[in-house]
This record gives sequence, C-alpha cells and structure tokens, in this order.
Amino acid sequence: VQLQESGPGLVKPSETLSLTCTVSGASIDRGIYYWTWIRQSPGKGLETIGTIDYSGSTDYNPSLKSRVTISLDTSKNQFSLRLDSVTAADTAVYYCARDGWGDVSPVSWFDPWGQGTLVIVSS
Amino acid sequence: DIQMTQSPSSLSASVGDSVTITCRASRDINNFLNWYQQKLGRAPKVLIYAASTLQSGVPSRFSGSGSGTDFTLTISGLQPEDFATYYCQQSFSTPRTFGQGTKVEIK
Repeated sequence: VQLQESGPGLVKPSETLSLTCTVSGASIDRGIYYWTWIRQSPGKGLETIGTIDYSGSTDYNPSLKSRVTISLDTSKNQFSLRLDSVTAADTAVYYCARDGWGDVSPVSWFDPWGQGTLVIVSS
Repeated sequence: DIQMTQSPSSLSASVGDSVTITCRASRDINNFLNWYQQKLGRAPKVLIYAASTLQSGVPSRFSGSGSGTDFTLTISGLQPEDFATYYCQQSFSTPRTFGQGTKVEIK
C-alpha cells in the first residue's frame, strides 16, 4: 500500500489549502481503516488534523474543526483535505497516512505514510 | 486531548550504546502506545505498536515497554542508522496525539 500527497506548495493567507492523497495497493472503501491527515511544523510538532473512514464518516481535531473538511473520492481511490482561512501558522509538512489495526491487536497505528508535502502560507 | 510528554528532548550517544526514551501520557491509555522513527526529510516509520510489539522488519535491538501512563523505548546497541528523531503516539482516543520527539544524536 502506498500513499502520495499532491497539491499546491504555496497558499496565500486567508485562502484555502487543498491537498489530495492518492492511495494505491488498497481500496479506501474497504476494510476498517481511518484515512488520516497529519501535519508537522517546527512549532507544533506532529498534529493529527482529522480522519475519514471507508463510509465517509469523519473525525476532526477540535483545534481545527471549524476550518477542516476531509472527503473521500472512491472512484479515484483518493481522499482530500480542505483547510479554510489559512494563516502562517498553517505552514507545515502535510502527510496522509492510514490508521489501521493488525490481525490480533486492538491498538491501531499509522502505517503507511505518504512522503509528505510542504505547504507554505505566504503572500 | 491526551497529552504525550517525552523525555529527554535530545540525547547524545555513541555507536554501541544503549539508550532509553521515556513517554508519559496525561491519562491511562492501557497499552495503546506506538513508537516511530523519523529521519530528516522522511515520514515517520512505525517501530513498535501496542507498547511492546515490534513491527515486522524492525531490528530486535529496538524494544518497548510500559502500560497505563508510563512507557519506554530502548535501543540496545545503537547503530549508525539509528540516529534520528523518535516519537511516541497514543491511539487510545481521538485525536491521536504525539509526543514532541526525542532527537538521538551522535556523540
């Protein structure tokens, strides 16, 4: 299973950040997985933005919930992130990842991850 | 949110040394704790899940222990490729949260 992020690397303040994660080697509408967006910035470390499952059910980090939308496109085997009204504080490397379980463990973990894409918020 | 606190934030060690990194959760997370390794410019990679289970393909010099709120990651016999940043992460509840990281540097 491989994940690959894509989208603009530069976004202006107050505009919308849009990224897509293309999944290969697995169908995003099958299996009990949470398809997740995570970001990493020097100031805030690794931060989970939100998740979407195979049915389209979402769960967002409360700190970002008012600005985030995650959606699923099963025809393209992709899921997407939309973050509204961005500021410089949203500058980060954005990763998509799968949160899933092994055969016997009730504990989930992030694997695999995409390579990450740097998004800079600047005018 | 569950807060994850790692210590130390950085350490210096030599090849062959054993090092231990600690992670503390702000509340009981049973064994819902994972450890990741991140090298510069790369995505994190899972080393250990469920506090102590080694991910397939990860060398046995990595080990994890703990339950409840206190966890440790031990690297027994550091190799050159182990110099990286290590993160703990809880999967007990959402949002999943990470520790701030421990950078392992060459002495």
